Amino acid sequence: DAGVIQSPRHEVTEMGQEVTLRCKPISGHDYLFWYRQTMMRGLELLIYFNNNVPIDDSGMPEDRFSAKMPNASFSTLKIQPSEPRDSAVYFCASSLAGAPYNEQFFGPGTRLTVL
Amino acid sequence: AQSVTQPDIHITVSEGASLELRCNYSYGATPYLFWYVQSPGQGLQLLLKYFSGDTLVQGIKGFEAEFKRSQSSFNLRKPSVHWSDAAEYFCAVVNQGTYKYIFGTGTRLKVLA
Repeated sequence: DAGVIQSPRHEVTEMGQEVTLRCKPISGHDYLFWYRQTMMRGLELLIYFNNNVPIDDSGMPEDRFSAKMPNASFSTLKIQPSEPRDSAVYFCASSLAGAPYNEQFFGPGTRLTVL
Repeated sequence: AQSVTQPDIHITVSEGASLELRCNYSYGATPYLFWYVQSPGQGLQLLLKYFSGDTLVQGIKGFEAEFKRSQSSFNLRKPSVHWSDAAEYFCAVVNQGTYKYIFGTGTRLKVLA
């Protein structure tokens, strides 16, 4: 299995531009999590899905952030418009059906820089 | 409130020395606890987890952790550190109602040759 796949690995954009981050979870996993990692705030859970349905988006910082999961094998996290304070590493993770407190498998992350 | 505290931001040890990384948690019920490792430029990899039973848990790469309820701790240990263990280590507890992980701020390990 290729593991959790994220693209792009690096993204540099200018303030005000739209940014789309992509995630392909491990096949068969039905929970998908989006995290943001910064030096100041550490790892933060932004949103998670179960069977493609958003369960909890209370960690999404503001309306500029949105996430979708149109099918079991693909999810996006969009920032529109982007701001310099959005610069961070964004991780996607997935876990197996049944108990989400089972191991989460993390992707390599997308390093976002907003100038 | 549920929380995880990793009191050491940075730790430096010599290769071959023993290692202990501290983790304290705050959780109202029996916690489900995890240790993850993050190598530079990589995602997080699970080292070990505790749900119940034996309080000494064995993980990958020669790591172990001991759950101590009386001290609200879940410290990670390794008897002999290798240079490849240099990474950042995260302790986490899962909220069993919401399934959210609560991560500590991490401990960055440096290994001297």
